[in-house]
Amino acid sequence: NAGVTQTPKFQVLKTGQSMTLQCAQDMNHEYMSWYRQDPGMGLRLIHYSVGAGITDQGEVPNGYNVSRSTTEDFPLRLLSAAPSQTSVYFCASSRQGPGNEQFFGPGTRLTVL
Amino acid sequence: AQSVTQLGSHVSVSEGALVLLRCNYSSSVPPYLFWYVQYPNQGLQLLLKYTSAATLVKGINGFEAEFKKSETSFHLTKPSAHMSDAAEYFCAVSSTSGTYKYIFGTGTRLKVLA
Repeated sequence: NAGVTQTPKFQVLKTGQSMTLQCAQDMNHEYMSWYRQDPGMGLRLIHYSVGAGITDQGEVPNGYNVSRSTTEDFPLRLLSAAPSQTSVYFCASSRQGPGNEQFFGPGTRLTVL
Repeated sequence: AQSVTQLGSHVSVSEGALVLLRCNYSSSVPPYLFWYVQYPNQGLQLLLKYTSAATLVKGINGFEAEFKKSETSFHLTKPSAHMSDAAEYFCAVSSTSGTYKYIFGTGTRLKVLA
């Protein structure tokens, strides 16, 4: 099993550009989520999904869109990048239900100039 | 609303000394609690979790944590630090119903001195 994979590993954007961060998992997990990690702020939840076709907002959803057309994939879209979105982005997945471990991808380091 | 607070953004210990990383939670009902570790340039890995069974939870790499409801705490300990323990550690809370969203603390960076 590859676990949770994320592409790209690194990305530099100019302000106003759009892009999609890819996330895929091969563990048949229902629950998937996107976090951003900033120094001194820990991980903050952007969006999450409890299954194909079902998504919801986390703590910091503004400026990001998600969709979940399959169980395996959960892409994160930046519609118009801003310098405030410079961060490290992590995708995670888990089985649905309480107390389950989240499995994390290796992260995408995004810089917006 | 649930939250976690990690006291100390940076902790330094000598190799062989006790490691103590502090985590306090806020929740109206006993939640599920987790400790994750992040090594440089990697994603997070689960160290241990509390899911309302035993209050003393043992994890990987010799770490353990004790759930204390009266103190709303879930501190992480290891009797003897090793150089390989240098990493960032995150405490997280998850509700026991609903959508089970995780809320992470701000992290504690552990430095181990030779």
